[in-house]
Amino acid sequence: GNSVTQMEGPVTLSEEAFLTINCTYTATGYPSLFWYVQYPGEGLQLLLKATKADDKGSNKGFEATYRKETTSFHLEKGSVQVSDSAVYFCALSDHQTGANNLFFGTGTRLTVIP
Amino acid sequence: ETGVTQTPRHLVMGMTNKKSLKCEQHLGHNAMYWYKQSAKKPLELMFVYNFKEQTENNSVPSRFSPECPNSSHLFLHLHTLQPEDSALYLCASSLVTRFDLTNYGYTFGSGTRLTVV
Repeated sequence: GNSVTQMEGPVTLSEEAFLTINCTYTATGYPSLFWYVQYPGEGLQLLLKATKADDKGSNKGFEATYRKETTSFHLEKGSVQVSDSAVYFCALSDHQTGANNLFFGTGTRLTVIP
Repeated sequence: ETGVTQTPRHLVMGMTNKKSLKCEQHLGHNAMYWYKQSAKKPLELMFVYNFKEQTENNSVPSRFSPECPNSSHLFLHLHTLQPEDSALYLCASSLVTRFDLTNYGYTFGSGTRLTVV
């Protein structure tokens, strides 16, 4: 089946620290991978995506590389800001199943302190 | 504003009430979804509509009833809910190709915070 496992939070970092949020997946086919971010009181926003192996998604200083050999899609940022405080969700969409559903992880709450 | 609008933003209802949640998008998307977000749980997919036809119903209790009158609007009708149904209900839309249902990523609304008393 399809599933996403991401590191449990919460994660608390000082401003300008390096961020890694781990995400691994299982899929029956050839998934596309996504990171979504949810700021307080809002819905989820697409942060970045990658549709095939070795693709790197990037946006707003965040990056994630689609690693088929390790079935991973870890989120990284070199220098976090207070405004990055939010909940981050890893997700996959599996084309092989013929469905267009997104499977989400449980989310990782990030708090960045000044 | 993301392009997907959900109303109301907050709703408090008694267990015997009937209410409806509304979702609207004018992004030209052809698939719409309802998700339930509860604390410390993964997002739960409830319903999927592709090209206005319901294609998924993930064992959702019948007290939740979706309606998709056109590709821009999606409703979730609620009746005789339970306190454990209190959650954030998120609507999303996406553009899918009819051939292989390739997903180009969802656009989410801000959600309706539902409290059942």
